[in-house]
This record gives sequence, structure tokens and C-alpha cells, in this order.
Amino acid sequence: DAKTTQPPSMDCAEGRAANLPCNHSTISGNEYVYWYRQIHSQGPQYIIHGLKNNETNEMASLIITEDRKSSTLILPHATLRDTAVYYCIVRGKSAGGTSYGKLTFGQGTILTVHP
Amino acid sequence: NAGVTQTPKFRILKIGQSMTLQCTQDMNHNYMYWYRQDPGMGLKLIYYSVGAGITDKGEVPNGYNVSRSTTEDFPLRLELAAPSQTSVYFCASSPLQSYNSPLHFGNGTRLTVT
Repeated sequence: DAKTTQPPSMDCAEGRAANLPCNHSTISGNEYVYWYRQIHSQGPQYIIHGLKNNETNEMASLIITEDRKSSTLILPHATLRDTAVYYCIVRGKSAGGTSYGKLTFGQGTILTVHP
Repeated sequence: NAGVTQTPKFRILKIGQSMTLQCTQDMNHNYMYWYRQDPGMGLKLIYYSVGAGITDKGEVPNGYNVSRSTTEDFPLRLELAAPSQTSVYFCASSPLQSYNSPLHFGNGTRLTVT
């Protein structure tokens, strides 16, 4: 699976948009970009995923660049409850493997939303 | 709408003891997984299952065993607990054999081995 690079931490004011970047320059054509978050002591929560096109759901928007080498997760109106560790994960068939479930979690970005 | 349920939430074991971490899902998902998360680290895959009766090793299977007798349940067994197994354990499930299918996680079991 392709490796991802995220900033270790970011701040955001409550009510403003939070834009979390992710670099995945070695992504393959059939690999998806997933975003999860983990609020302290809880299990990872699925946010959104995409392959090529931009995606939006009730939680967030995902913007993937045309060359697919980077993406941005957008929380349109951040609240204090959005304070969490956000993981950008590239998911696809590992070379020679068939472990469809494998999500490789890196260090993520600690997002702090302040009043 | 329970999703993935893990029990217990917390457990303290002595070295050499054994225990089973329970995981059940009510979404009729075929795929189930066990991850562990050490402090300040990402999640690592221990075992996974593609359906009842079928299991396979992940990245860090040593010291653990699993079984999958039903679609709903995927217990994780620790036979001889060691301090290195102190961690938070997460169970997850997904419906399809596809990379376009999100995993849904439980809220974890926090295990301490002393």
C-alpha cells in the first residue's frame, strides 16, 4: 500500500473550516484514499473515502488532486467535538497479497478545535 | 443499531493468564478483523476472517488465536498473557470483499498485563 504523509498537528477555530492535507505520491491507480478519525479512547471512525473524484457526505468533503498524489479532508464547520487524530490511509491490493481488510494506520494529524 | 460490539471494555491480566476478547457485529458483514494499538502508535492487524470458518494471519499474530464459527462473532484468544500484549484491541468488520468498502470499528478493549 502507498505511504501517506500528514502534518503532525493542526489547529482550527470553532465554526471555521478545517482543511487537513495528505500526501500520497506513490499511490497506484486502483488504490483508494480513506479518512478515519479517532477521538480519545474510542475506536477509529470512518469519515469518507474516494478513488479519483471529489466526494462529499454528511461529515466532510474529500478533495483529491487530478494526479492523485495528494488530497485534502475538509470539515466545513468544525466543532469542539471534532478534536481528534485524523488518519489518511491509502488502501489497495498489496503487492502479492489479498488482505482486503488491511488498513495501514500512520501517525495521523492531531486536530485541535478551539473556541 | 449496535454495529460492532466489544467486551469487556477493560481488563487486567497477570502474566501467564489467558482470556478471550469478544467481538460481535449485527450488520451481517463477512469480513472481520482484529487490530491492536499501542500507546501513541497506529493500529496493527493481528488476524482477519473472510467468513465463517476462514481466518488468516495479519502483521502481528504471535501470541494470539482466533476462530470464526458464525458470521456475527470473531473472538480473539490470548493463551499466555505477556506484558508486551498490553494494548488496546479493536475489532472491525466490513461487508464486501472490496477496497471500496469501509471498515467499521468497535470501541475497543483496553488490556493491561502485569
